[in-house]
Amino acid sequence: EAGVAQSPRYKIIEKRQSVAFWCNPISGHATLYWYQQILGQGPKLLIQFQNNGVVDDSQLPKDRFSAERLKGVDSTLKIQPAKLEDSAVYLCASSLLTGQGASPLHFGNGTRLTVT
Amino acid sequence: GENVEQHPSTLSVQEGDSAVIKCTYSDSASNYFPWYKQELGKRPQLIIDIRSNVGEKKDQRIAVTLNKTAKHFSLHITETQPEDSAVYFCAAPPGQGSNDYKLSFGAGTTVTVRA
Repeated sequence: EAGVAQSPRYKIIEKRQSVAFWCNPISGHATLYWYQQILGQGPKLLIQFQNNGVVDDSQLPKDRFSAERLKGVDSTLKIQPAKLEDSAVYLCASSLLTGQGASPLHFGNGTRLTVT
Repeated sequence: GENVEQHPSTLSVQEGDSAVIKCTYSDSASNYFPWYKQELGKRPQLIIDIRSNVGEKKDQRIAVTLNKTAKHFSLHITETQPEDSAVYFCAAPPGQGSNDYKLSFGAGTTVTVRA
């Protein structure tokens, strides 16, 4: 089974610039998540999709962050404009929709963003 | 949302000894409790999980115990080896009736196994 694919692996930008991250989940996984992991902390959920609809984006800073999952498969996360505090690893994860509640998350390798 | 607290933040053990990490959660209706291991520079990987209908689950040298009354669950690693050195995260979803696919993670425990 192919894992969750993310690109790029690393990105360095200056503050106020924009950046986009891409994620391809495991085939058949209806639920897709974007997490932000600041160094030394646990992952924090930014947005959760089920198929191509948003389930939860309560912690997404909507003034600068946006995400979409067109066609219910791949997803992109965008930051515009970036701030220094956005420096983090952005993890994409996917899981099966079992109808029985939470199921294991499968994470991608993440994109390490550095904002200078 | 779910509030997950994890202790300790760092743990150093002698090779061969046991390591125990504890997490508490706030929503008594939470029903799924996974543990993830993250090695330096790598992605978090699920190592074990437990659902609320059982009190303990074991997989070789790792086990998870759940105390629903006290709202805490623990990871136990026995006979620790150098390759167990990593950051471990617990997680829990909110209770039934809400978005129970949304996991909240603890802050992590850095485990160092001394040779």
